[in-house]
Amino acid sequence: DAGVIQSPRHEVTEMGQEVTLRCKPISGHDYLFWYRQTMMRGLELLIYFNNNVPIDDSGMPEDRFSAKMPNASFSTLKIQPSEPRDSAVYFCASSLRGTNEQYFGPGTRLTVT
Amino acid sequence: ILNVEQSPQSLHVQEGDSTNFTCSFPSSNFYALHWYRWETAKSPEALFVMTLNGDEKKKGRISATLNTKEGYSYLYIKGSQPEDSATYLCASRLFSGGYNKLIFGAGTRLAVHP
Repeated sequence: DAGVIQSPRHEVTEMGQEVTLRCKPISGHDYLFWYRQTMMRGLELLIYFNNNVPIDDSGMPEDRFSAKMPNASFSTLKIQPSEPRDSAVYFCASSLRGTNEQYFGPGTRLTVT
Repeated sequence: ILNVEQSPQSLHVQEGDSTNFTCSFPSSNFYALHWYRWETAKSPEALFVMTLNGDEKKKGRISATLNTKEGYSYLYIKGSQPEDSATYLCASRLFSGGYNKLIFGAGTRLAVHP
């Protein structure tokens, strides 16, 4: 298995632009998580899905952030409009119900100038 | 807000030294405690998952213990090597029905010097 795949690995954009981050979970996993890692707040959960349905989005910072999971093998995290304070590394992770492990992707480093 | 605290924040040791760090977490509604190893520019890699009070897990030179009643876990590294240099994250998983999300600590950054 290729593991959790994220794209792009690096994204540099200007303030006000729309940013879309992509994630492909491990095949067969039914849970998908989006995390954000910053120096100030560490690793924080933004939202997670079960069987493509958003379960808990209480960590999404504000309305500028949205996440979708149109099918079992693809999810997006969108920021519109982006702001410099959104600069962070965004991780996607997936898990299989009945197990305790979450498997992380390589992350997308976002820089908003 | 339920906090997971890790200490120390960073640690510098010499190759061959043994070391340990602490994770403290809320003991109410406890479900599981996870340890991850996170190397710079890579993704967090799962080390251990522990659920029972008194659990002890071991992987090579790394081991971990769990006390759910008082809400802490220790991670030990015996005979540290430069390749052990990484950030070690712990995460608490609380029981709240359904799938239980992880609450991460800020991590302990370990640097092992040759």
